[in-house]
Amino acid sequence: DSGVTQTPKHLITATGQRVTLRCSPRSGDLSVYWYQQSLDQGLQFLIQYYNGEERAKGNILERFSAQQFPDLHSELNLSSLELGDSALYFCASSVEPRGGTEAFFGQGTRLTVV
Amino acid sequence: EDKVVQSPLSLVVHEGDTVTLNCSYEVTNFRSLLWYKQEKKAPTFLFMLTSSGIEKKSGRLSSILDKKELFSILNITATQTGDSAVYLCAVGNTNAGKSTFGDGTTLTVKP
Repeated sequence: DSGVTQTPKHLITATGQRVTLRCSPRSGDLSVYWYQQSLDQGLQFLIQYYNGEERAKGNILERFSAQQFPDLHSELNLSSLELGDSALYFCASSVEPRGGTEAFFGQGTRLTVV
Repeated sequence: EDKVVQSPLSLVVHEGDTVTLNCSYEVTNFRSLLWYKQEKKAPTFLFMLTSSGIEKKSGRLSSILDKKELFSILNITATQTGDSAVYLCAVGNTNAGKSTFGDGTTLTVKP
């Protein structure tokens, strides 16, 4: 168990809908990363928050947004969903703000858009 | 843009074999190179490498970094079926708050 909790584990929704994925980082970690993993692909970086502030942004679509709350949990909001958004979404946390450090991953949320 | 290329994409071996997984990278302001193992779900951390030529070792797994040639290898000796997984390589950029991942090598170890 990495100590990172993601909910829900699975989500099935229709095109055009909006969903919210939730992540609770490991105790003491201030940095939260969101990654998208499509079938047979590597991890695509979406966005990072550190202590409540956005720190880095990857190729995140405008339909997607995220935030980190004062208690350090984070939410990833996906709207106007398309079939191509079906993927495994991972949250990871680490102590420090910079990349290239050991990160602890949650079990992921499997999103299926039908 | 930072880039990580892993090879081979997939590999099938038998128990007891030794395997070498490759990771080459292009990154501005290199900070570190990391290896992760991904079984069914969450990637789990294996190694972080920052200096050239210093081998990191954990049991049957070892890894080394060459910052001049911009690559790293992950060796697994005496493979077991439990080593079957996707092995991910990532690089960290000192100026960026993220790690860039490669597409991974899928290792299958047959009994």
